[in-house]
Amino acid sequence: QSALTQPASVSGSPGQSITISCTGTNSDVGSYNLVSWYQHLPGKAPKVMIYEVNKRPSGVSNRFSGSKSGNTASLTISGLQAEDEGDYFCCSYAGTPTFEVFGTGTKVTVL
Amino acid sequence: QITLKESAPTLVKPTQTLTLTCSLSGFSVSTSGVGVGWIRQPPGKALEWLALIFWNDDKRFSPSLENRLAITRDTSKNQVVLTMTNMDPVDTATYYCAHRLAEDAYYFGYWGQGTLVTVSS
Repeated sequence: QSALTQPASVSGSPGQSITISCTGTNSDVGSYNLVSWYQHLPGKAPKVMIYEVNKRPSGVSNRFSGSKSGNTASLTISGLQAEDEGDYFCCSYAGTPTFEVFGTGTKVTVL
Repeated sequence: QITLKESAPTLVKPTQTLTLTCSLSGFSVSTSGVGVGWIRQPPGKALEWLALIFWNDDKRFSPSLENRLAITRDTSKNQVVLTMTNMDPVDTATYYCAHRLAEDAYYFGYWGQGTLVTVSS
């Protein structure tokens, strides 16, 4: 099972919106609405930002939103802020035997 | 408050077996539905899903590493232990354990800070 494909980097200016894609196959992203997104800031533990494609855990800013179309899931960050700078990983359920697979990761830079 | 803390040797030699311990606080490894997983991240690379154990001892493994991994629960110590055999320098990574709320909750809600393990002779 290969890792889900994400762009290596995405950048934007404060206040702008950016979108990070996560492309899988019809064995993972395309078959299940079980995509999650994690924010990984330097020196910190990863934090779940979105689960089940578009659900936000309590406490996560509504500037973060998720969606899915076919084999590609997306994370959109609206009103980009300096504190959003870091790495973002998607993850999808992939059934048996793989169970779950992470994406390749995207570095978000706030210009 | 749910917290997880990983512990492991910082340096292991090639071919040795690595034992990683995840100490849990704020929840029990025996609580119905709960799962604890292991994920690693080699320096500068992506997260890699390794293994997951549920409250009822149900287990899942990455197919690419399954023959090297074992995962167990210690209910008396409220810990989850992952062992990885035949370590290689490519296994150098930060290893994380993480909490899963329920069997049908396909995400990790809480993560430990991670522990860096270097494989070198």
